[in-house]
Amino acid sequence: SQQGEEDPQALSIQEGENATMNCSYKTSINNLQWYRQNSGRGLVHLILIRSNEREKHSGRLRVTLDTSKKSSSLLITASRAADTASYFCATFVQYGNKLVFGAGTILRVKS
Amino acid sequence: DGGITQSPKYLFRKEGQNVTLSCEQNLNHDAMYWYRQDPGQGLRLIYYSQIVNDFQKGDIAEGYSVSREKKESFPLTVTSAQKNPTAFYLCASSVGQGADEQYFGPGTRLTVT
Repeated sequence: SQQGEEDPQALSIQEGENATMNCSYKTSINNLQWYRQNSGRGLVHLILIRSNEREKHSGRLRVTLDTSKKSSSLLITASRAADTASYFCATFVQYGNKLVFGAGTILRVKS
Repeated sequence: DGGITQSPKYLFRKEGQNVTLSCEQNLNHDAMYWYRQDPGQGLRLIYYSQIVNDFQKGDIAEGYSVSREKKESFPLTVTSAQKNPTAFYLCASSVGQGADEQYFGPGTRLTVT
């Protein structure tokens, strides 16, 4: 099974609401990254959090990392219709030398 | 403009034919990657290259081949040995290997019939 598992698989909210997506992983990591993918397009890097960091912010994005629980969450505040996309977490596994992607969360923001 | 380009956007081939997908970057990145994405799934690593004239197999390399003769270019050949080649293929690059953020191209959707 994949290193990163996102939850929920799909999320539908109204514009202006907050969206929270979770990612769990199995083995020790160097860092964890979140990416966004609009339908039929390439991925766009959103934020990287290192294993010794607990929280990071970028604009309307807030990422937390709990290495004891092997989990991370991505919070998008005051969501907009343009935030509609798939969101993937990716972990860089220690000594693995590669990024491992989860299956993603599909976010739909209704206007 | 700096970035990664992939061509073509859509590609159609008959079963049994080899096909080469192009990936070019002008970001001066050392590392380049090829991923495959199937509907409703995450990305799976096919091949990666950390430096010119060197590349490594990823998790699903069977039926694929690559070359890295120039820093800017990392073409992927989908051979007739790949049993289920229809998929969305994504190329990416990063400054160094693995731990850095990756920059992705727009993807090539390959359909084999």
